[in-house]
Amino acid sequence: DGGITQSPKYLFRKEGQNVTLSCEQNLNHDAMYWYRQDPGQGLRLIYYSQIVNDFQKGDIAEGYSVSREKKESFPLTVTSAQKNPTAFYLCASSIGLERHEQFFGPGTRLTVL
Amino acid sequence: AQTVTQSQPEMSVQEAETVTLSCTYDTSENNYYLFWYKQPPSRQMILVIRQEAYKQQNATENRFSVNFQKAAKSFSLKISDSQLGDTAMYFCAFPSGGSNYKLTFGKGTLLTVNP
Repeated sequence: DGGITQSPKYLFRKEGQNVTLSCEQNLNHDAMYWYRQDPGQGLRLIYYSQIVNDFQKGDIAEGYSVSREKKESFPLTVTSAQKNPTAFYLCASSIGLERHEQFFGPGTRLTVL
Repeated sequence: AQTVTQSQPEMSVQEAETVTLSCTYDTSENNYYLFWYKQPPSRQMILVIRQEAYKQQNATENRFSVNFQKAAKSFSLKISDSQLGDTAMYFCAFPSGGSNYKLTFGKGTLLTVNP
């Protein structure tokens, strides 16, 4: 079955540590995205990538970094510079070009202890 | 800046009844898509329905339909014959910026279907 996987489902981190969230897709989609979701808010875009080896900052990129070395993978690193990293993180992908609908993974809940 | 507004933070409906969720947006573009996503308690985001702005006919997917008013920049979602499994957060989304890749999401409407 084609889809998007995120791991782990739950992640705990101590303050001052970097942590990497995994996102993999086998849909052959060109574009991939990372969102952050906080209670009472919609999804806010952290980073997105339209093609391999290219990515752009979204609306709240500070304290985060990404890489796109393979079409299938778009890992997100939450660095110690992120002031309030506890949140639900969603990865998505889309075919790109004229079809804009995005398909989402199951999400990762990050808690900073 | 392009914005998406969902003015109803919470709504409730009785099972088997019909409910309409509102969404308004702001854009200067002419050709675009609009989406409704559903996020049940599992938190998995699921695409419910898509509307293409150049199409006059409102999109329909089984019990879900939209009322798209392009001039008014309104994009409401109607759920007919509501089921308990429809209980979820519903987000309206719209492509933002100059790129067709990015989506801007509304803050969501929490819909509760009561037995």
